[in-house]
Amino acid sequence: ETGVTQSPTHLIKTRGQQVTLRCSSQSGHNTVSWYQQALGQGPQFIFQYYREEENGRGNFPPRFSGLQFPNYSSELNVNALELDDSALYLCASSGDNRGVGGYTFGSGTRLTVV
Amino acid sequence: AQSVTQLGSHVSVSEGALVLLRCNYSSSVPPYLFWYVQYPNQGLQLLLKYTSAATLVKGINGFEAEFKKSETSFHLTKPSAHMSDAAEYFCAVSGKGSGGSNYKLTFGKGTLLTVNP
Repeated sequence: ETGVTQSPTHLIKTRGQQVTLRCSSQSGHNTVSWYQQALGQGPQFIFQYYREEENGRGNFPPRFSGLQFPNYSSELNVNALELDDSALYLCASSGDNRGVGGYTFGSGTRLTVV
Repeated sequence: AQSVTQLGSHVSVSEGALVLLRCNYSSSVPPYLFWYVQYPNQGLQLLLKYTSAATLVKGINGFEAEFKKSETSFHLTKPSAHMSDAAEYFCAVSGKGSGGSNYKLTFGKGTLLTVNP
């Protein structure tokens, strides 16, 4: 079975720009979550999508938005980038929205805002 | 609401020595608990999980963890450290998030394990 794949792996953007990060979930998984991991910190929950609908959100402003597609892949969009948005963005998929089976993480997208 | 505290941001052991990484959690409902490992410039790999079955959980690469409800702990152990175990380890609890029916993961700040030859 294929795992979670994220693209791109690295990205450099200028403050104020917009960015889109992509994630393909593991085969058979219908739930996708996004996390932000700042340097030296644990991942922080941004939001989760279950069957194409947002199913919970962490403490992130509305300029962080997302989508989930019928094939359960997902996008994370960030508008009006700020320097503090520089982080590793991780996508995780699971076969249920309770995570009983565990979450499979991708390798992440390293975003640098300059 | 749930939270995770990992005691010790950095643990150093000798090759062949016991590895003990500490994790305490807070959760208002019976938790699902996880340990993940992260190698440099990579994502998170699941080591093991507790989902209310056996309290002693065995994972990959010789790691295991014991769920102790009375102590609200889920410490990670490995009898004999190997050089390849050097990485960052994250404990996480899964509990109901706000604004939806999702069960989000709440992570600790991580423990960096170094293994000395």
